[in-house]
Amino acid sequence: QKEVEQNSGPLSVPEGAIASLNCTYSDRGSQSFFWYRQYSGKSPELIMSIYSNGDKEDGRFTAQLNKASQYVSLLIRDSQPSDSATYLCAVNDSGGGADGLTFGKGTHLIIQP
Amino acid sequence: NAGVMQNPRHLVRRRGQEARLRCSPMKGHSHVYWYRQLPEEGLKFMVYLQKENIIDESGMPKERFSAEFPKEGPSILRIQQVVRGDSAAYFCASSPGTGSQPQHFGDGTRLSIL
Repeated sequence: QKEVEQNSGPLSVPEGAIASLNCTYSDRGSQSFFWYRQYSGKSPELIMSIYSNGDKEDGRFTAQLNKASQYVSLLIRDSQPSDSATYLCAVNDSGGGADGLTFGKGTHLIIQP
Repeated sequence: NAGVMQNPRHLVRRRGQEARLRCSPMKGHSHVYWYRQLPEEGLKFMVYLQKENIIDESGMPKERFSAEFPKEGPSILRIQQVVRGDSAAYFCASSPGTGSQPQHFGDGTRLSIL
């Protein structure tokens, strides 16, 4: 049974600070890793994808992957109130998106103005 | 709108009725996935389809649920004889299926069972 674990939160971060979201996964065969943002009552929106060890930066977002530790993280710099949402970590076994994703239950992030 | 299109956005059914949820993938995407999100729960994979083929249905309940993606038209998730526990948000996602391309989600169908 593949598992993806996230701290459910809420994680409260002051506006302008760095928000750090963490995720661990159980299946060592996992190849692809994704972060989705989901606002209440809305659909998941892709934020970042990462496939190899190390860091990947896109604007205010940085994804970090450590396959040896089975650990994925998302850093949000200069946090804004609009970043307040639930962040979902997802993994799959294939080298891309062609496989069902296994999701964590999400971390609820609150950015305090 | 070039995104993943799902309809209806909201669907209300009485116990014992059938629910049909439709999904048209993004333009250029040939792979479709269905997920279910129960209240206060995470997203759970249900089924992965390509045109006229079910690739992986390991997440589908054994009874009452079926899915198809015909050669022409949208993908359909069908739930027969619905029960209260089927109330959930059902999301469809699509991907090109080639290379490292992540899945993009539609707005979902909120299914309520009376």
